[in-house]
Amino acid sequence: QSVLTQPPSVSGAPGQRVTISCTGSSSNIGAGYHVHWYQQLPGMVPKVLIYRDNNRPSGVPDRFSGSKSGTSASLVITGLQAEDEADYYCQSYDNSLTGVFGTGTKVTVL
Amino acid sequence: QVTLKESGPVLVKPTETLTLTCTVSGFSLSNSRMGVSWIRQPPGKALEWLAHIFSNDEKSYSTSLKNRLTISKDTSKSQVVLTMTNMDPVDTATYYCARTTIFGVVGEWFDPWGQGTLVTVSS
Repeated sequence: QSVLTQPPSVSGAPGQRVTISCTGSSSNIGAGYHVHWYQQLPGMVPKVLIYRDNNRPSGVPDRFSGSKSGTSASLVITGLQAEDEADYYCQSYDNSLTGVFGTGTKVTVL
Repeated sequence: QVTLKESGPVLVKPTETLTLTCTVSGFSLSNSRMGVSWIRQPPGKALEWLAHIFSNDEKSYSTSLKNRLTISKDTSKSQVVLTMTNMDPVDTATYYCARTTIFGVVGEWFDPWGQGTLVTVSS
């Protein structure tokens, strides 16, 4: 089963900009399937942060943004805040019509 | 308000079959634009998609687990059931169900999620 690759961890000081990459293949992201992002705060249930590549649900701060190009996608947090410390996962579908998650990235606020 | 709630055993023995139920409210399992997915997360590890079922009863399973999984729904009861056979300690995880938006024949994002249920596999 295909998997999306993310860096295990990223960190930044408050106010900084951090980017989380999500690398897929021609059978998932590269095939045109949308990418979605989730935030999982410590001990909590994952929550959708970005859907369909670059759309924010209501209530999600605009410091979170998403993009997609080719076989990869990115989540950018501008103006990093202490409450952004969490695990982040990308997610898509693939040509076998099965869901696929990223390997997860832990964001640490220094 | 849309909610999902998982229920099932907290402890199963190796080789046993796990049966989990997801009870939904706030939307109908017959809604053509919505489905339900099961996702799991071993302690300290990443999320893993397991299966989904759509309103037209279309089903899809994780390639690596498809021989062990069965998903079904009872629209009248607003319930989705996942069974996993031949449980092993490596299947110890929090199991979540989540509403899935459908786009054409493909699932999209998962929102909202149930609270999750921790299933431990041990003799």
